[in-house]
Amino acid sequence: NAGVTQTPKFQVLKTGQSMTLQCAQDMNHEYMSWYRQDPGMGLRLIHYSVGAGITDQGEVPNGYNVSRSTTEDFPLRLLSAAPSQTSVYFCASTLRQGRSPLHFGNGTRLTVT
Amino acid sequence: DAKTTQPNSMESNEEEPVHLPCNHSTISGTDYIHWYRQLPSQGPEYVIHGLTSNVNNRMASLAIAEDRKSSTLILHRATLRDAAVYYCILRDVRSGTYKYIFGTGTRLKVLA
Repeated sequence: NAGVTQTPKFQVLKTGQSMTLQCAQDMNHEYMSWYRQDPGMGLRLIHYSVGAGITDQGEVPNGYNVSRSTTEDFPLRLLSAAPSQTSVYFCASTLRQGRSPLHFGNGTRLTVT
Repeated sequence: DAKTTQPNSMESNEEEPVHLPCNHSTISGTDYIHWYRQLPSQGPEYVIHGLTSNVNNRMASLAIAEDRKSSTLILHRATLRDAAVYYCILRDVRSGTYKYIFGTGTRLKVLA
């Protein structure tokens, strides 16, 4: 049972480049979400999904797109990377909204130069 | 979403109990109280959660005030490995409310 898997672990982008951060879970969780964590700061919610085909915005959605075509996968797309998006990105999932714990991936450390 | 308030930092001596407080005065009847912790350079990990009654598991205990406006995470014997940022968040189980919002948490320092 792999849990929540994030790839890549590290990524360096130049300003203006695009990329997709991958997140997959094998626990059949309906709810998935993306957070970013800037150095020395708490977690901020970017986007979340309550099931395949359903996504919604969190606290800081600008500059990011998501889609949820399957229950297992929830990729996060940066269309045109900016230095302000340098951060550690965490994906999380849970089975039952509220009653069950969130399971987090190990994070992707992104640097935009 | 109901908000939580936690102290920015706390210190504890190794092998002593630690009580981490969380205030949530606007909690609703359908909010679960969740605690997570984040060890240095790692992703957050689940610690414990509850609704009304006190809860125990192998990691910690959760004491919930009778009016549910505050709660306390109890680490019975702090070890150096417990040094982390601890987050208290509220999760509403009603349909239509899906955001897990984390605050800045409490940074726990454990002294040897």
